[in-house]
Amino acid sequence: SQQGEEDPQALSIQEGENATMNCSYKTSINNLQWYRQNSGRGLVHLILIRSNEREKHSGRLRVTLDTSKKSSSLLITASRAADTASYFCATAVYNQGGKLIFGQGTELSVKP
Amino acid sequence: EPEVTQTPSHQVTQMGQEVILRCVPISNHLYFYWYRQILGQKVEFLVSFYNNEISEKSEIFDDQFSVERPDGSNFTLKIRSTKLEDSAMYFCASKDLGDTQYFGPGTRLTVL
Repeated sequence: SQQGEEDPQALSIQEGENATMNCSYKTSINNLQWYRQNSGRGLVHLILIRSNEREKHSGRLRVTLDTSKKSSSLLITASRAADTASYFCATAVYNQGGKLIFGQGTELSVKP
Repeated sequence: EPEVTQTPSHQVTQMGQEVILRCVPISNHLYFYWYRQILGQKVEFLVSFYNNEISEKSEIFDDQFSVERPDGSNFTLKIRSTKLEDSAMYFCASKDLGDTQYFGPGTRLTVL
C-alpha cells in the first residue's frame, strides 16, 4: 500500500449523521494533516495532528492518530450538506523539507 | 486572513509550448511548494523551495520544470515544453516555520 491511503474511497450519509474517514501510512511521520477539497477547487487545511498527539478536536472535527498502527481517522459530527467534498490525509516526514504525501482521498456526500 | 493566490486560474496551451504558472505565497512565509493533481488522482508533490533554492524535488520534476522566486513576492513554476500528460491542476503552497501548509486555489493547465 502507498503512504497515505484513505478508506472508504466514497461515503454517502444523511445530514446529521457522523462521517468517519480513515487513513493509513507506512513510514514514521512528523505530523499528519487533513485537507478538504470541494469539486475542482483548492485544498483547505482542516486540522494537523503531531506524531506525539493522540487526539485533537476542532469544532465538529475530531482527529485521532495511532502511530503504532500507522493510522489516523477523521470524524465529522452532525454532518451538513456543505460538508460534501473530498477529504485527504497528508503526511509530513522528518528531514524531508516538509513535503506532504497525500492519500487518494475519501469522497464524502452528505444528502439533505 | 492572508491567503495564497495563483494566476491564471485556467491555462490552455498547445503541446510543446512553454507555460509559466504564478503564485503569490503568504507574506513572510519561508517555504514554498508546488504540487499537481491529475484529474481524478491524488495530489502529488513536485518541488519544495527554501532560501532561494530547491530543497527537494520529485521524480516528476524533470528538466522540463523549473521554479523561480524572481522578487520578494512571486513564486513561479515554468514548464518549458508542455506534454499532454502535463494537463493537471497545479497547486502552490507556502508555510512559515510551523508545519501547516497553506494552499492556493490552483491553476488548471490544459495541454492540447
